[in-house]
Formats: sequence, structure tokens, C-alpha cells
Amino acid sequence: KAGVTQTPRYLIKTRGQQVTLSCSPISGHRSVSWYQQTPGQGLQFLFEYFSETQRNKGNFPGRFSGRQFSNSRSEMNVSTLELGDSALYLCASSSGPWLGLAGEEIRAKNIQYFGAGTRLSVL
Amino acid sequence: QKEVEQDPGPLSVPEGAIVSLNCTYSNSAFQYFMWYRQYSRKGPELLMYTYSSGNKEDGRFTAQVDKSSKYISLFIRDSQPSDSATYLCAMRYRDTGRRALTFGSGTRLQVQP
Repeated sequence: KAGVTQTPRYLIKTRGQQVTLSCSPISGHRSVSWYQQTPGQGLQFLFEYFSETQRNKGNFPGRFSGRQFSNSRSEMNVSTLELGDSALYLCASSSGPWLGLAGEEIRAKNIQYFGAGTRLSVL
Repeated sequence: QKEVEQDPGPLSVPEGAIVSLNCTYSNSAFQYFMWYRQYSRKGPELLMYTYSSGNKEDGRFTAQVDKSSKYISLFIRDSQPSDSATYLCAMRYRDTGRRALTFGSGTRLQVQP
């Protein structure tokens, strides 16, 4: 079974430009979450999509947006890039929404599997 | 103050040593706890998942949770050079409306052959 695929792996942009990153989740997974990883702030949650709807959003400015398609593939977009947006952007997929279930059933349904990330450098 | 605190290391140990990695958290609403391993230039990989206080063992790895002290640990027995990576603790609320993972800053581990 193929893992989470993120494209492109590397990107170099200049300030003020916009960028679109793509994520293909594991086959059958319907939930996609995006995270930003930087040396200073670590891994921070951006947003989560399930069934083409944004279910959760982290504390990032409106320049960060995303969407999910009917095949569960997701894109995130960053407009008006700033130097501080340089980071590794990670996508994670899971099979379903968080149901608050107890027991090991959670493990199969809600564990997030990460892609290798897209490294964005803003010059 | 961050919700999850993790010693960033780096931690350097000889091969065969027992490694202890730790995280503390401040919000008792966290109910589910995970440890991820991240190699350089790779995404995080899930190692351990637990939701109750106590120990959970998987091969050379043991995850320990103490909810009363808001403290979690990962123990690695018989450490190998291949264990050299950054280890991230992650936590999640039980509340169905707050599903995002909150991560520690990560501890970089180097196992010397």
C-alpha cells in the first residue's frame, strides 16, 4: 500500500509569491491534516480536512489556506510568502474522523501517517 | 508556556544503552499520547500509541504515561545506531472537536557505535 505522497519535495520561492503544495493520502484514507515544521517552533498544526470540509484550523494567518478534493487529495496554498514561511510542510492522513472511541479501535481509525514533506525556502 | 515541553537534547549514548526520553504537558484534557520518530529529511513515523496511564511495550520500546503527573516517557532498550533520529512526543484531546496533534519540540538522539 502506497504511503502519503507529497509534491513537490523541494521548492524555492521569493517573498510576495504564492505557492501550492499537494498531498495524496493513503488509499482509503479520508482525513488529511497539514503541519508546519520549523527549528524554532517545531511541528505546528495548520488545518484538517475530512470529506472536502475543513474540520479544524490552527493559529495561522489567513494567507494559509487549503482544500480537499472528492478523491481525498488535498492542497495547501500560501499567498504573499514571507521569509518566516520557510519550513518543512508535512501532510498526514488517517482513515476517519476522531470519534472519541475507547480502545484499540482508535488505532486503526485515527492514527495519522505522515508524508516526507515539502521543504519550502523563501528568499 | 508551551502546552507540551520536551528536552531538545541532543542526547548521545553508546550502543546498547537504555535511553529515556521525556515530555511533560500542562493540559489534563490531553488523553491520547504518541511517540513519533523522525529521521533526517523524512516525515515523522509513529512508534507508540497509548491512551491510559501505565506502561505499554513493543519490542525494544516502552511507552510510559503518568496522567496524574502529566508526564510521559519513551524508553529504548539495547539502543542501536539505527535509532539515531529525532523523537517527538505528541498528544491529542479526547474532545471530538479538537483532533489536531500537539507536538513536543523533539529530542535528537545519537547512538554511537
